[in-house]
Amino acid sequence: QVQLVQSGSELRKPGASVKVSCQASGYSFTNYAMNWVRQAPGQGLEWVGWIDTNTGHPTYAPGFTGRFVFSLDSSVSTAYLQISSLKAEDTAVYYCARGPPGGCDPWGQGTLVTVSS
Amino acid sequence: QAVVTQEPSLTVSPGGTITLTCGSSTGAVTSGHYPYWFQQKPGQAPRTMIYDIYNKHSWTPARFSGSLLGGKAALTLSGAQPEDEADYYCSLSYPVSVVFGGGTKLTVL
Repeated sequence: QVQLVQSGSELRKPGASVKVSCQASGYSFTNYAMNWVRQAPGQGLEWVGWIDTNTGHPTYAPGFTGRFVFSLDSSVSTAYLQISSLKAEDTAVYYCARGPPGGCDPWGQGTLVTVSS
Repeated sequence: QAVVTQEPSLTVSPGGTITLTCGSSTGAVTSGHYPYWFQQKPGQAPRTMIYDIYNKHSWTPARFSGSLLGGKAALTLSGAQPEDEADYYCSLSYPVSVVFGGGTKLTVL
């Protein structure tokens, strides 16, 4: 079955960087885009952007340009989200979600990124 | 960027029927917005319940249905069960983005 497995929780200090991974299985990795979604504590879902797994071309939502970078390693069916210059307000659960046209389905289990000094 | 609007909270009685809606600031929701509905329970990842307006996954109980209603996407729950208490989010697709609604906290009481 289709499954997305994300890397474990991370604790970083402000100004540091973090890289979250999302390994896909159960389908052809390059047949679907990969979305990234953020959920701050007690808040709703916020679309970070998506990456075309064929071309590697990323699209970032407004407010997520500059410090957020998507990348791929198609040889291991894995997508990555790297966040640099971390701020306390980046503390959130980050989800990857496969991208059928227009949507997010299914979802990874989420990765908690905590930014604290 | 478009804004997607949902009711912040709703309450339904066990066995009752309720409709959650998902509107777009750009106008009527259409099939081209690929409306999705997700259920999220505390501490869990979102789970897709409805995709492309009305399509269900194998795990979607028959009591859930999706539609377009009055220019919005709608999720109707017929015969609510206690286990349906959760946050429900919709998403709509735009030319270069996906936008989530703010979510509806559904209470079964």
